[in-house]
Amino acid sequence: EAGVAQSPRYKIIEKRQSVAFWCNPISGHATLYWYQQILGQGPKLLIQFQNNGVVDDSQLPKDRFSAERLKGVDSTLKIQPAKLEDSAVYLCASSLGGRPTDTQYFGPGTRLTVL
Amino acid sequence: AQTVTQSQPEMSVQEAETVTLSCTYDTSESDYYLFWYKQPPSRQMILVIRQEAYKQQNATENRFSVNFQKAAKSFSLKISDSQLGDAAMYFCAYRSPGAGSYQLTFGKGTKLSVIP
Repeated sequence: EAGVAQSPRYKIIEKRQSVAFWCNPISGHATLYWYQQILGQGPKLLIQFQNNGVVDDSQLPKDRFSAERLKGVDSTLKIQPAKLEDSAVYLCASSLGGRPTDTQYFGPGTRLTVL
Repeated sequence: AQTVTQSQPEMSVQEAETVTLSCTYDTSESDYYLFWYKQPPSRQMILVIRQEAYKQQNATENRFSVNFQKAAKSFSLKISDSQLGDAAMYFCAYRSPGAGSYQLTFGKGTKLSVIP
């Protein structure tokens, strides 16, 4: 079974530039999550999708971050414009459903450096 | 809001020995789920073990077991017969019950080193 795929693995940009990350979840997984993991901290949920609908985006900085999952499969997370404090690893995860007993499977992450 | 605290930023263990990683949490809920995740240097996080708060029996998965003390709000992970492949960041996480968005709240992690 293929795991959660993410690209790119690394990205370096200057502040005020824009950047996009892509995630392809495990086939058949209805729920998709984007997490931000700042160095030295645990992951923080940015947004959760159930199929192509947003379930929770309460911690997403909506003035600069956006995410979509148009066909209920793969997803894109965008930052525009980027700030220095956005430097982090962005993790995508998927699960069969949104229940607590549904294991979240994580991708390898995209490491973003904002200069 | 729930908080998760891991008080040990780094731990080390000799290969084949046993190590215990600590985790405490704060919640006003009576039913919830607790998790330990492992994040090796490659960054792909994987689930190690899960505990439902309503279950009194501590969860075990092969060499991994937990000591869940609900009254003390403590959830420690014991790794027996430590192996070199156990070296990683370990994160404790909390999740409220129910479907929908009940997000995972993670601690800051404990870096475990395994000494050959």
